[in-house]
Amino acid sequence: AQSVTQPDIHITVSEGASLELRCNYSYGATPYLFWYVQSPGQGLQLLLKYFSGDTLVQGIKGFEAEFKRSQSSFNLRKPSVHWSDAAEYFCAVGAGTGGFKTIFGAGTRLFVKA
Amino acid sequence: NAGVTQTPKFRVLKTGQSMTLLCAQDMNHEYMYWYRQDPGMGLRLIHYSVGEGTTAKGEVPDGYNVSRLKKQNFLLGLESAAPSQTSVYFCASSVPGQGNTGELFFGEGSRLTVL
Repeated sequence: AQSVTQPDIHITVSEGASLELRCNYSYGATPYLFWYVQSPGQGLQLLLKYFSGDTLVQGIKGFEAEFKRSQSSFNLRKPSVHWSDAAEYFCAVGAGTGGFKTIFGAGTRLFVKA
Repeated sequence: NAGVTQTPKFRVLKTGQSMTLLCAQDMNHEYMYWYRQDPGMGLRLIHYSVGEGTTAKGEVPDGYNVSRLKKQNFLLGLESAAPSQTSVYFCASSVPGQGNTGELFFGEGSRLTVL
C-alpha cells in the first residue's frame, strides 16, 4: 500500500540557519511527489512538485527538494530560513491521474526562533 | 482570483445536529475533494467528485454525504453530527486528465466543533 512518512513531527531552527525536512514514501509505480505548506489558519499551498526529469526541483519561497529513488525519499531543503517560514509542511505522493489518489504525510511543524 | 472558497469558516454543533459545508471554485476544475485534517494524521480524503453529478467515497466517508449538482460547487453534509467529526475540513480542486500532475488547490478550511 502506498504511504508517506514524515519522521519529524516538529523541528525548530534558528532564523538564517539551513533547513531539511524529511519525507519517505512507499509507492508501487512512478510517483508524483509534492510538498505543500500550510500557514496558521490557512489552506495548503503547493511549494513544489516532481514527476519527471531533473531530480532536484525548485519551488516557491526559495525551497528545493531532491528526489532519490534509491532511498524512496523526497526531502525538502532551504539554505536560509526566514521567520515567515514557520508553518506546517506536508509531503504527498500521487498517481498523477487525479488528486483522489494523493496520499499525505502527517506533516512537520516548523518553528523558527530569532 | 477567489480560487476555492469554503463556507462557513467556523461552526459549532451539538451532537445529532445536521449541517452542510459549501465549497465553490471558480477555476473550472473538473475534480473536487473534501478532506479532514486532524492533529498528527495529515489530510484524509472523505469524498471526491470527478465531474458534475458524480461522487465517490474516499478513505473516511462514514457519517458524511456529498453532492455535486453544479460543476463549481461541492457540498459536504453531516446528517447527525458526532464529536468524532470535530475537525478542520478542507475542500480542494484539481485539473483532470492523464499526465496531469494532480496538484491540488485548497480552500482556507472550515473548523467544525461538535459538542
